Amino acid sequence: QKEVEQDPGPLSVPEGAIVSLNCTYSNSAFQYFMWYRQYSRKGPELLMYTYSSGNKEDGRFTAQVDKSSKYISLFIRDSQPSDSATYLCAMSMNSGYSTLTFGKGTMLLVSP
Amino acid sequence: EPEVTQTPSHQVTQMGQEVILRCVPISNHLYFYWYRQILGQKVEFLVSFYNNEISEKSEIFDDQFSVERPDGSNFTLKIRSTKLEDSAMYFCASQQGPRELFFGEGSRLTVL
Repeated sequence: QKEVEQDPGPLSVPEGAIVSLNCTYSNSAFQYFMWYRQYSRKGPELLMYTYSSGNKEDGRFTAQVDKSSKYISLFIRDSQPSDSATYLCAMSMNSGYSTLTFGKGTMLLVSP
Repeated sequence: EPEVTQTPSHQVTQMGQEVILRCVPISNHLYFYWYRQILGQKVEFLVSFYNNEISEKSEIFDDQFSVERPDGSNFTLKIRSTKLEDSAMYFCASQQGPRELFFGEGSRLTVL
């Protein structure tokens, strides 16, 4: 069983749509959850960082963690063509200086 | 905005050759990492480095790999004898405090 599973997509939506991106994981030791955005041929860029179950909102982005189901989500409201990228979930067992385990990434395409 | 810089952006090498990938982390950061991403695969942890020594490494990081911070600014990844399966995008990342890893744009390694 893979540690972190993420649908690779692509997910195609029209501009303005609400986007839902998801990851499941198997290791209950993961405590910290992140979403990274990666544009083509660029390095990952941190979007959201959460700890424990619940929601966290930052502008158009909302991260949701359900540790009982081992399921995390990223919602993007009012999606823009500039949001077109690959979204990677990542998680770690400890805060701070801990290695990250990544999902494979979901490619999102937002059409104007 | 401070950033992690990596050189070269792309290197092509013959199997069995030594390769050195270079990174300049953000200047006040203390923790350094190498990750790699084989085309179409997930980002994978290779090694973390703190206080001039390796703090953690994955099973990918075998005796063919080494890291060094020779002069207090550069952080290098050396692959002693490259194999075809070493072809990947290699990302350097640095971290000052808990939470955010800042990734460079990556060095693409192609082994022929």
